Amino acid sequence: EPEVTQTPSHQVTQMGQEVILRCVPISNHLYFYWYRQILGQKVEFLVSFYNNEISEKSEIFDDQFSVERPDGSNFTLKIRSTKLEDSAMYFCASYIGTASSYEQYFGPGTRLTVT
Amino acid sequence: AQSVTQPDIHITVSEGASLELRCNYSYGATPYLFWYVQSPGQGLQLLLKYFSGDTLVQGIKGFEAEFKRSQSSFNLRKPSVHWSDAAEYFCAVGAITGGFKTIFGAGTRLFVKA
Repeated sequence: EPEVTQTPSHQVTQMGQEVILRCVPISNHLYFYWYRQILGQKVEFLVSFYNNEISEKSEIFDDQFSVERPDGSNFTLKIRSTKLEDSAMYFCASYIGTASSYEQYFGPGTRLTVT
Repeated sequence: AQSVTQPDIHITVSEGASLELRCNYSYGATPYLFWYVQSPGQGLQLLLKYFSGDTLVQGIKGFEAEFKRSQSSFNLRKPSVHWSDAAEYFCAVGAITGGFKTIFGAGTRLFVKA
């Protein structure tokens, strides 16, 4: 069964550094997402991406964040200058884009630790 | 605005006992509803989903959920809990707007006692 993959599984970075989290969505999916889960809290929507542009973003997704689909397979989340409060698990997801099967497939997550 | 409420932060049940986790949603149209399970430090595993049709849906690991439109609820049930079911359970609704995002509830942590 096709799956969403994410790399790395764990990233440690220093405050103020830039990080890029990588995701490979399922190949025939059209919508891509990033979600965040701070330890012990619920999963929060960050951004959705369709047709090479952001279709929706949350209040969390400020100017420090950006997303990109640099080629036909990868989908990345960049945090320009990390803060301690960016420490969280980041989940990538993809959705095929048809109403007959509205389901997002989630990757295993990248745990980001900012020190 | 769409939202999901899971009124129970944590629940403790005895192994072999039945389980019901509550979920209420707020959504203007026909909702797309999901239950996910998450073990500590792990990712999200989809237990079951409801899009349309039969309001009682069966999922993996012996779980089921019932959609009740009149109560805006989608409660998760299992007739006999196993120790391995101890985990965090998230109810979620799919928001068919702009980006088709998923909105999660705060989660219910299930503890299973021997």
